[in-house]
Amino acid sequence: GIQVEQSPPDLILQEGANSTLRCNFSDSVNNLQWFHQNPWGQLINLFYIPSGTKQNGRLSATTVATERYSLLYISSSQTTDSGVYFCAVEGKLIFGQGTELSVKP
Amino acid sequence: EAGVTQFPSHSVIEKGQTVTLRCDPISGHDNLYWYRRVMGKEIKFLLHFVKESKQDESGMPNNRFLAERTGGTYSTLKVQPAELEDSGVYFCASSLPGGALHFGNGTRLTVT
Repeated sequence: GIQVEQSPPDLILQEGANSTLRCNFSDSVNNLQWFHQNPWGQLINLFYIPSGTKQNGRLSATTVATERYSLLYISSSQTTDSGVYFCAVEGKLIFGQGTELSVKP
Repeated sequence: EAGVTQFPSHSVIEKGQTVTLRCDPISGHDNLYWYRRVMGKEIKFLLHFVKESKQDESGMPNNRFLAERTGGTYSTLKVQPAELEDSGVYFCASSLPGGALHFGNGTRLTVT
């Protein structure tokens, strides 16, 4: 089956810093989503992005389907951005291991 | 539009007991999925319904887990008898065909 790898596994930022999270996948996909699991355990859908680039406020995502990777950019990070970021691919969603982000004030 | 709702939000049960989790998908979403995150590890797929039919149940860990979606609306996931390793967060998601998955807030299950 498809393998999904995320990097880095952990990331600590100072408030205001920018970051890039990466998601590599082992085969062609028709669906890719980025999620944020906040400290309360809720899974928030950030982007549905099988290809191309999307932006939503301070967050943006780019998926290069031909090269089998996706990037999530967080600019001017805030403490509320803390939590685990997951990417997931395909119809029934195969999740990566997540990137645990901690933003310090 | 109401989102995916899950009940209960938390459940604490003893080993050997039975627990039933419920998921109400977004109205009109034929696709319904169950996932779980155990011991802080990655989120794993359990099964997928299309309306009332089980499309894919390859992720169900064993026969102590039973999922139903009678009438193609809400779904239940029963664990009987519960074991310690079943502790974790159980998520439900729904979608339109080919669309993005929308997740509920999850049910945190603790088996003591």
